[in-house]
Amino acid sequence: EPEVTQTPSHQVTQMGQEVILRCVPISNHLYFYWYRQILGQKVEFLVSFYNNEISEKSEIFDDQFSVERPDGSNFTLKIRSTKLEDSAMYFCASSDAPGGPDTDTQYFGPGTRLTVL
Amino acid sequence: AQKVTQAQTEISVVEKEDVTLDCVYETRDTTYYLFWYKQPPSGELVFLIRRNSFDEQNEISGRYSWNFQKSTSSFNFTITASQVVDSAVYFCALGYSNSGYALNFGKGTSLLVTP
Repeated sequence: EPEVTQTPSHQVTQMGQEVILRCVPISNHLYFYWYRQILGQKVEFLVSFYNNEISEKSEIFDDQFSVERPDGSNFTLKIRSTKLEDSAMYFCASSDAPGGPDTDTQYFGPGTRLTVL
Repeated sequence: AQKVTQAQTEISVVEKEDVTLDCVYETRDTTYYLFWYKQPPSGELVFLIRRNSFDEQNEISGRYSWNFQKSTSSFNFTITASQVVDSAVYFCALGYSNSGYALNFGKGTSLLVTP
């Protein structure tokens, strides 16, 4: 069964460093998302991406964050200068093209745990 | 504005008991989707169900059932004959019906099923 994959599973970085979190969405999906979950808290939306553009973003997704689809399979989240409060689990998700059977269902990857020291 | 409330923070049951997880939502949209996701101790988010706002038919899938009531803005989830493997955090989420929308999650209910 197709699934969303994410690498690395755990990333440790020093405050102020740049990190890139990588995701491979389900192959025929066209909508991509990033969410984060601070330990013990709810899952929060960061950004959605379609047709090489950001569709929607939350207040959390400030200028420190950027997303990119560098090739036909990867979807990345970059944090330019990490802060302690960026420590969280970051989930990538994808959903089907319009008209597809699962157009409105977001399937999540296993997450990348980011620890900022 | 959209809001999802899962009032039960933690529930503990003994195996084989039935358990209902509550979800109440707020939205001004007439068309929307409701979801349940499961987050086991391993941390991933597993999709369980999606329900369109126009479809109030209840759904049963094995030991799982969902009760959607628009009149009370609730979308409750019942596990029948719970098992230890059901132990997880369960999230209710709300989204618009357009593709590429943000999902708005509740705070989750942590379910512990003991033998």
